[in-house]
Amino acid sequence: EPEVTQTPSHQVTQMGQEVILRCVPISNHLYFYWYRQILGQKVEFLVSFYNNEISEKSEIFDDQFSVERPDGSNFTLKIRSTKLEDSAMYFCASGLSGANVLTFGAGSRLTVL
Amino acid sequence: GQQVMQIPQYQHVQEGEDFTTYCNSSTTLSNIQWYKQRPGGHPVFLIQLVKSGEVKKQKRLTFQFGEAKKNSSLHITATQTTDVGTYFCAGRRSNYQLIWGAGTKLIIKP
Repeated sequence: EPEVTQTPSHQVTQMGQEVILRCVPISNHLYFYWYRQILGQKVEFLVSFYNNEISEKSEIFDDQFSVERPDGSNFTLKIRSTKLEDSAMYFCASGLSGANVLTFGAGSRLTVL
Repeated sequence: GQQVMQIPQYQHVQEGEDFTTYCNSSTTLSNIQWYKQRPGGHPVFLIQLVKSGEVKKQKRLTFQFGEAKKNSSLHITATQTTDVGTYFCAGRRSNYQLIWGAGTKLIIKP
């Protein structure tokens, strides 16, 4: 069964450092998403991406965050200068269409010290 | 803003007891999806409800979508240890935005 692949599975970084989280969505999917989940809390929407541009973003997705699809397969989330409160599990998801169900990756756990 | 309220936040049950989680939207939804997240895992899609008043079953799980397409519920009959996890509803607005509930954590008492 096709799956969404995320790397790294866990990253530890110092406050103020830049972090790039990588995702390989399912190959025929057109819509891509990043979500965040702080330990034990709800799944929070960050951003959706379609046709090589951001289609929607939440209040969490401020100027410190950016997304990119540098080639035909990868979808990355960059945090420019990490803060302690950025520590969370980051999930990438993809969907075939905007109305379709989402397939999530296993997540990347980010720990900011 | 647009919200989907999900209750309860936690539910402790004895194995074999039933479990129910409810979602309520402030606005009419085009559809609602349900996801399950096992402890330490990622959300996994369970089902999507589209029609007003729709009821769908998956073995011991029963999903309902309200007549007004503003509320939904998931009921598990005779819970088993494999049901443990957090159940999320996610309501889709007409502009395709998906709004997530806060999740209900199902805990089986030892």
